[in-house]
Amino acid sequence: RKEVEQDPGPFNVPEGATVAFNCTYSNSASQSFFWYRQDCRKEPKLLMSVYSSGNEDGRFTAQLNRASQYISLLIRDSKLSDSATYLCVVIFGNMLTFGGGTRLMVKP
Amino acid sequence: DVKVTQSSRYLVKRTGEKVFLECVQDMDHENMFWYRQDPGLGLRLIYFSYDVKMKEKGDIPEGYSVSREKKERFSLILESASTNQTSMYLCASTPTASVEQYFGPGTRLTVT
Repeated sequence: RKEVEQDPGPFNVPEGATVAFNCTYSNSASQSFFWYRQDCRKEPKLLMSVYSSGNEDGRFTAQLNRASQYISLLIRDSKLSDSATYLCVVIFGNMLTFGGGTRLMVKP
Repeated sequence: DVKVTQSSRYLVKRTGEKVFLECVQDMDHENMFWYRQDPGLGLRLIYFSYDVKMKEKGDIPEGYSVSREKKERFSLILESASTNQTSMYLCASTPTASVEQYFGPGTRLTVT
């Protein structure tokens, strides 16, 4: 089993739709969690941190479920510009582990 | 604004060649990382460094070495390139006690 797993997708959704991705992790002692966004042929960039209490940034909501060992990313009112690959990152100590990424394609 | 640069965007090398990939960051970050990214496998950590002249193996160090002689520069070395090292190589840096990683634009290496 991979340490950090994501559904690779692609998730094809129409503009305006709500879409959610999950990311599961195997190390129950993992301490920090993040979502990164990677556009085609570009480097990953931090999208948002994931806190135990959940956090929201505009149309984006990230949540952590420690009991079931997964994090989620919800995107409301999808825009064409949201099309990208979304990578989760799980941190334990000094080690970062990236998920394989979930590809989102928002269609007009 | 943090800037991480990598020496080449695209590189083509022959099997058996020694390959140097350079990464430079301009924000005085303590920590630097080298990853490779392959379809279906995501980003995998090759080596990282927490300080000058210090290095730690990541998940897939075999076939690679690194050098950190100056704080701003972290080099990845392929001693004898092989076709299975064809990949996208990404460098990242982060300041101590912070975990946001700032990535360079990547080097797409093809070994023929």
